Amino acid sequence: EDQVTQSPEALRLQEGESSSLNCSYTVSGLRGLFWYRQDPGKGPEFLFTLYSAGEEKEKERLKATLTKKESFLHITAPKPEDSATYLCAVQAGGSNYKLTFGKGTLLTVNP
Amino acid sequence: GAGVSQSPSNKVTEKGKDVELRCDPISGHTALYWYRQSLGQGLEFLIYFQGNSAPDKSGLPSDRFSAERTGGSVSTLTIQRTQQEDSAVYLCASSLRQGVAKNIQYFGAGTRLSVL
Repeated sequence: EDQVTQSPEALRLQEGESSSLNCSYTVSGLRGLFWYRQDPGKGPEFLFTLYSAGEEKEKERLKATLTKKESFLHITAPKPEDSATYLCAVQAGGSNYKLTFGKGTLLTVNP
Repeated sequence: GAGVSQSPSNKVTEKGKDVELRCDPISGHTALYWYRQSLGQGLEFLIYFQGNSAPDKSGLPSDRFSAERTGGSVSTLTIQRTQQEDSAVYLCASSLRQGVAKNIQYFGAGTRLSVL
């Protein structure tokens, strides 16, 4: 069974204090790993897709990396508007569509 | 263009009543998904529609849950004889189609269902 574990469950940072969120996964053949951002009362918003170990993608203050067992979402010099729940999901090699999600990391950035 | 639209945004119902939740996917997206997000849990896959193919219903938790997609566009998720454990946010997503390199799923804002 595919599994996704995100840590920590919650993270509080001061504005400008860089950190990383972790997503560990076990899957039968990774087709893709997805990062989403979810604000309260809204649906998940797509951030990145990573397909193979060693791949990296960046968007503003966010950088996602991928190894064979985990992915990291690095947040550089975060701002209060980066506060949200960050979700990680994997798509297994046997499926063209089904995503398995982790429970998310609730990030709070204090001014 | 418009994103995925879901209605109602909130639904309060009494235990035992039936409810219908609606999803309008992004225009041109042939794949449609329903997920359930319970408090403290990850998104749970419920059902998947792709074009005219038979849907994948493997995630539906019981036979009280059903979904249909009319004309390859709008979808309705129906929960019969609702129970308190059905209380959750029901999210709909759509994507261009399966098998493409970037099969990104785009989500609606969800319907928050509360069963009293």
